[in-house]
Order: sequence, then C-alpha cells, then structure tokens
Amino acid sequence: EVQLLESGGGLVQPGGSLRLSCAASGFTFRSYAMGWVRQAPGKGLEWVSSISGSGGITSYIDSVKGRFTISRDNSKSTLYLLMNSLRAGDAAVYYCVKCLPAVTGIWTASDVWGRGTMVTVSS
Amino acid sequence: EIVLTQSPGTLSLSLGERATLSCRASQSLGGTNLAWYQQNPGQAPRLLIYGASSRATGIPDRFSGSGSGTDFTLTISRLEPEDFAVYYCQQYGSSPFTFGGGTKVEIK
Repeated sequence: EVQLLESGGGLVQPGGSLRLSCAASGFTFRSYAMGWVRQAPGKGLEWVSSISGSGGITSYIDSVKGRFTISRDNSKSTLYLLMNSLRAGDAAVYYCVKCLPAVTGIWTASDVWGRGTMVTVSS
Repeated sequence: EIVLTQSPGTLSLSLGERATLSCRASQSLGGTNLAWYQQNPGQAPRLLIYGASSRATGIPDRFSGSGSGTDFTLTISRLEPEDFAVYYCQQYGSSPFTFGGGTKVEIK
C-alpha cells in the first residue's frame, strides 16, 4: 500500500524554524516528483513546493522563496521541508504529496496525500 | 501566476441530482494540466481527475471532467451521500501550481 507519513510539525515562535519530514512507502520513491501543499485553518489549499524525482529541480511559491527548502533522500524514501523565518501566515496543516508519473514535463497532479502535520506559529 | 476561479462557491443539491462545477483560469493552461480534488471535513484531499478529463484510480464513473484552455468543468452525474464535500481545481502547467478557492457541494 502506498503511504505517506508526515512528522515534524508543532508550535514555533515567529522567526523560528522547523523541519518537516515525510516517510514514503509502497512505491519506488526516486521515480516520482513529490511536493508539499498547505491548508490554513478553515481555508483552501495552497501549493508550497515541489521537487523532481532526482531532487535536481525544485519549485516554490513566492511567499516562501528564500525561507523554505525542499529536499529528499531517495536512499531513505523521505521528503523534507526545512522552514526558516516562520511567520504567522505559515501556520497550516502541511500535506506531503506524491505526483503522478509525468508523460511530458516534470510536474503532474498529486495522486497520494499524507494525513498532514500541523504547524502553529505563535509567541 | 495563474489564478483559478471556481464557481459557484456553494452548490446546494439533493441526492441523485447532477452537479456541475466550474473552474476558470486567468490565462490559458496551454493544454489540459488541470486536476480536481475532493476534500471531506478533517480529511486529506483525494485526487479525482487529472489531465482535465482522466479519472484517477478507483474514482467512480459518475465523476467526469472536461475543458481545455481556460474553462474547465467537473460533473457529478448523480450525487451520492459521500459526494457532499469541497472540491478544488489545481493547475500544474505553470509554477506556482495554484489551486482554486473551492466549491462546497452541500445537501439541499
């Protein structure tokens, strides 16, 4: 069974840092692009970042560029999101997502979602 | 940045009725790089449709997607109890891979 299990969320002060992890199982991790999508309480979905299967290509929403870093360890089937300089606006449930195989290009729809990990930014 | 506008915001329908949800892009997606997701309260989203019209694995055939360019539609042919949820469209053709604001399908 394909599974994604996020961890690393919690309460952090404004300006602080967190590293989210996503442990993947049930599929050949290195073969798929992965990403992070967040959802603030009571709000809609917001794509945050994606990374290619090799890890060589990344993409970010403008509001997190220079503060968040997506990475992956294909030997451990694990995706990461390092979040620095956290702001109140970053508070959300963060979902780890697996992308469908790409027929053309790199990025595709997200066919598997984790349960999410909550990030709270407050003093 | 491509802005996706979903309409209506809320759709009130009865069991067995047909639901038609719209997603309009601020500029052409240049193809069919559009997906639809369903989200029930307290749960992670679930992929329904990708490539504008391809059903994801395990999705019932009462769900169908259509459209290209800037105008896309998700149709649920006959609403079942589990279909009352929030639906989001997402474009993945151009970064940032934006989502629409969502359409809530509620029981009338």
